[in-house]
Amino acid sequence: AQSVTQLDSQVPVFEEAPVELRCNYSSSVSVYLFWYVQYPNQGLQLLLKYLSGSTLVKGINGFEAEFNKSQTSFHLRKPSVHISDTAEYFCAVCSTSGTYKYIFGTGTRLKVLA
Amino acid sequence: DAGVTQSPTHLIKTRGQHVTLRCSPISGHKSVSWYQQVLGQGPQFIFQYYEKEERGRGNFPDRFSARQFPNYSSELNVNALLLGDSALYLCASSLTAGPHYGYTFGSGTRLTVV
Repeated sequence: AQSVTQLDSQVPVFEEAPVELRCNYSSSVSVYLFWYVQYPNQGLQLLLKYLSGSTLVKGINGFEAEFNKSQTSFHLRKPSVHISDTAEYFCAVCSTSGTYKYIFGTGTRLKVLA
Repeated sequence: DAGVTQSPTHLIKTRGQHVTLRCSPISGHKSVSWYQQVLGQGPQFIFQYYEKEERGRGNFPDRFSARQFPNYSSELNVNALLLGDSALYLCASSLTAGPHYGYTFGSGTRLTVV
């Protein structure tokens, strides 16, 4: 079984400041890792994914994440946020075999302040 | 290219009624997955279909059923609606059953049960 913990339900940050959204996971099998963003009244948009290889993954809109196997973490970072980054961010894992279902965390609401 | 299309966008049903939600995947995508997102939570996996066969089922009661058609579109059916079924229902499509290419989510159907 897998589980995902997003430690912060809300993160307020000023515009142009850096931000880190934390994600920890638990799994007895190998997993792929993902970050999705959800804007109000919309579906989820893929920001980035880790399948294998380099542990530093770059995604869209200037976001990046680092896979840390020993700490079972996959934190999302952005060096300078914009007002338009205000949204809900979800971390997800998916096993590398069997049923390819995402297990999502409960989400982190990023609020960028002017 | 059109994205993942879901219909209807909103609907209101009464307890005990039946509902059918529809999803058209991106052209060429053969996998469709359904997720339920209750307000304030991350999405939860309901079903995955690939090449018209069920590939996985989440922890949902038998009142929930789905199918995939020859054109790869899909329907999610829920019988005997309960108040707790009120949620945003998301459809996601992918080229393959696995998440290697990432899943593309639709904007969802918001179901309200009264």
